[in-house]
Amino acid sequence: EDQVTQSPEALRLQEGESSSLNCSYTVSGLRGLFWYRQDPGKGPEFLFTLYSAGEEKEKERLKATLTKKESFLHITAPKPEDSATYLCAVQAPDNFGNEKLTFGTGTRLTIIP
Amino acid sequence: KAGVTQTPRYLIKTRGQQVTLSCSPISGHRSVSWYQQTPGQGLQFLFEYFSETQRNKGNFPGRFSGRQFSNSRSEMNVSTLELGDSALYLCASSSGPGNSGNTIYFGEGSWLTVV
Repeated sequence: EDQVTQSPEALRLQEGESSSLNCSYTVSGLRGLFWYRQDPGKGPEFLFTLYSAGEEKEKERLKATLTKKESFLHITAPKPEDSATYLCAVQAPDNFGNEKLTFGTGTRLTIIP
Repeated sequence: KAGVTQTPRYLIKTRGQQVTLSCSPISGHRSVSWYQQTPGQGLQFLFEYFSETQRNKGNFPGRFSGRQFSNSRSEMNVSTLELGDSALYLCASSSGPGNSGNTIYFGEGSWLTVV
């Protein structure tokens, strides 16, 4: 069964203090790994898609990287508006060949001014 | 370009009742999938539709059903509601079917409370 584990569950940082969020996965036949940001009471907002090991993508203060077993979301000099829950999801076929997204439980990030 | 639109945003139902939630995907997107999000279980996949056909289904009881119309709009129905069905129901759309690796975009969700 596909597994996606995110760590840490919660992270508190001072404004400007850089850090990384981890998403480790166990799947066969990875189609893509997705990062989303979710604010309280809202739907997940798409951030990045990574398809193969070694791939990197950047957007403002965020940078996502991918290896064969995990992905990192690096946050550089974060601001309070970066506070949110960050979700990782992997897309892969199940035992019947059907594709679906499997989500991790997220990392709740709080940036303190 | 409008995003994924879900209605209603909030609703309260009584145990035993049924509920229908609606989703309009991003214009041009033909794949619609549904997820249930709860604090304890996180995001759980319900089902996916592409071109009016259910392509994939998660591990939910038969009380949860869905359909997709020719204009790609989708509805999901939950019958005989239970307290445990209280959750945020999220609809997501993408341009291709689930095995294509296309990016999936989410709506704001429908908050269902069962009392």
